[in-house]
Amino acid sequence: EDKVVQSPLSLVVHEGDTVTLNCSYEVTNFRSLLWYKQEKKAPTFLFMLTSSGIEKKSGRLSSILDKKELFSILNITATQTGDSAIYLCASQGAQKLVFGQGTRLTINP
Amino acid sequence: EAGVTQSPTHLIKTRGQQATLRCSPISGHTSVYWYQQALGLGLQFLLWYDEGEERNRGNFPPRFSGRQFPNYSSELNVNALELEDSALYLCASSFRGSSGANVLTFGAGSRLTVL
Repeated sequence: EDKVVQSPLSLVVHEGDTVTLNCSYEVTNFRSLLWYKQEKKAPTFLFMLTSSGIEKKSGRLSSILDKKELFSILNITATQTGDSAIYLCASQGAQKLVFGQGTRLTINP
Repeated sequence: EAGVTQSPTHLIKTRGQQATLRCSPISGHTSVYWYQQALGLGLQFLLWYDEGEERNRGNFPPRFSGRQFPNYSSELNVNALELEDSALYLCASSFRGSSGANVLTFGAGSRLTVL
């Protein structure tokens, strides 16, 4: 069965720290891996990764995919209190998008 | 451009009742997905509709059902409500690209509380 596992489940850091969030996946007919940020209700899209080794970057956030080892990481540098959220990783197969449990990130001032 | 809209925002029901949740996708999107997010849990896949057809469903009992209308909006029905059905129900929409690598855009969700 398709599965996505994120770690850690919860992380508390100080403002300015750098964090790395992990996502491993097993999915039939893999098409892409997506990262979302969920602050209150609607998850908002961050990145879609389809190719190994190509870093996607947006400001202080970056992500990379390893299709051989079946994992992805999301890095956030110089964290700010506004980065506090649940970060969701999802793997897309031919028939559905499967989400991990999410990582709850808390940034303390 | 309007995003994915869901209604109602909040819904309170009692055990055994039925709930109907509605979703309007982004204009031009033909696929609609439903997810359940119970407190403290990740998003659990419920249903995927595209071009009016059910394409896939998750591991939920048959009392969870839905449909997609010709204008691509969708309804999720939950019959014989149970306490554990209390959750945030998220709808998402996307283009139905041939590659299958589609970005889903989510609505703000409908919070269902079963008493």
